Amino acid sequence: SYVLTQPPSVSVAPGQTARITCGGNNIGSKSVHWYQQKPGQAPVLVVYDDSDRPSGIPERFSGSNSGNTATLTISRVEAGDEADYYCQVWDSSSDPLFGGGTKLTVL
Amino acid sequence: QITLKESGPTLVKPTQTLTLTCTFSGFSLSTSGVGVGWIRQPPGKALEWLALIYWDDDKRYSPSLKSRLTITKDTSKNQVVLTMTNMDPVDTATYYCTYYDFWSGYYGYWGQGTLVTVSS
Repeated sequence: SYVLTQPPSVSVAPGQTARITCGGNNIGSKSVHWYQQKPGQAPVLVVYDDSDRPSGIPERFSGSNSGNTATLTISRVEAGDEADYYCQVWDSSSDPLFGGGTKLTVL
Repeated sequence: QITLKESGPTLVKPTQTLTLTCTFSGFSLSTSGVGVGWIRQPPGKALEWLALIYWDDDKRYSPSLKSRLTITKDTSKNQVVLTMTNMDPVDTATYYCTYYDFWSGYYGYWGQGTLVTVSS
């Protein structure tokens, strides 16, 4: 089955840029979606179709996807961005699986 | 406005069968492209996809849990039911019901989740 690999943790200072990766075999050929989950809350979609944002999600959240790596980029990181982030892929031939999650710590 | 809410027991004993119900509003599960899925999250651990049911009654299951899962829908009641047999303490988790957009492939809406503890 398809495997998505995320770093367990990423740390960044406020105001800096956080980059969270999601690795998978030829992931660039699939659609990648990203979710933010804060403690005690359900996940929230923050990026879909590699780089689109749902309404209400700040422009600071962006995404890219190429080759074997998809990346969620959070610019001008704020304390409120501290959360777990999960990638999820979809293509017509596979089930919608999640990566193992990355804990973003704002220093 | 799309909402989903999970209901079911908070405590089950090992070997018992878990039955969870997702009651939703704001969409119809007979609309092309719509799905409802179940995802769980053990305490402190990652999300794990369990099952999906689509508008055309197609059903998908996690390969690792397929033998224990059954997902059904009642379109007239706006409900989806997930059953999981032979529960074990490792199945202790928060179980989420989700709205799934088949054409885009993402979980656009989530229920609040329900914590199920497996213990004797």
